[in-house]
Amino acid sequence: DQQVKQNSPSLSVQEGRISILNCDYTNSMFDYFLWYKKYPAEGPTFLISISSIKDKNEDGRFTVFLNKSAKHLSLHIVPSQPGDSAVYFCAGNTNAGKSTFGDGTTLTVKP
Amino acid sequence: DAGVIQSPRHEVTEMGQEVTLRCKPISGHDYLFWYRQTMMRGLELLIYFNNNVPIDDSGMPEDRFSAKMPNASFSTLKIQPSEPRDSAVYFCASSLGPEGNTEAFFGQGTRLTVV
Repeated sequence: DQQVKQNSPSLSVQEGRISILNCDYTNSMFDYFLWYKKYPAEGPTFLISISSIKDKNEDGRFTVFLNKSAKHLSLHIVPSQPGDSAVYFCAGNTNAGKSTFGDGTTLTVKP
Repeated sequence: DAGVIQSPRHEVTEMGQEVTLRCKPISGHDYLFWYRQTMMRGLELLIYFNNNVPIDDSGMPEDRFSAKMPNASFSTLKIQPSEPRDSAVYFCASSLGPEGNTEAFFGQGTRLTVV
């Protein structure tokens, strides 16, 4: 049972445009959702999070939206930059600090 | 702080050999996690520690895998004997606390190849 799913393995967008990465989950016990970014040969790094009681959190060019009734969240990057090209992981967290990750989406931003 | 430090970065070993992966968490972090990344299973949690005590090892695939944390600044993940299907990137991560919004800081990973 995959509790966190990222159904799009890859996404390609033009520089300056919006990137939208999607994530679905099944576990209602997640109280936070986190997005991580990963470059090749490096470990994932934290990007942004959202509480399960919120529907939006914004940090600069990055905004995460949560639709709890649909068990769906999305990460918006506006405007997209070539340096944003990486693998993005969605993760659901419980109070124990234990993260369950999706399989990741590879974002390519073309100059 | 230098971040989470893992060693070695790359390990190539023959089937049947013992493999030991090492991790130094960020000083002051009470939680340590071992993850494995494969094409088939993505990024999966193997085990995590709180204050050096293993809390949840339900992700450890088999008895061939064992993990220890003898002190707050060091942890090992051991595979004995290793098999080709253990080939993966193994990440160690640490965090400050159990709260759900606490981010984890990852090391650069150890790429293990078992031939």
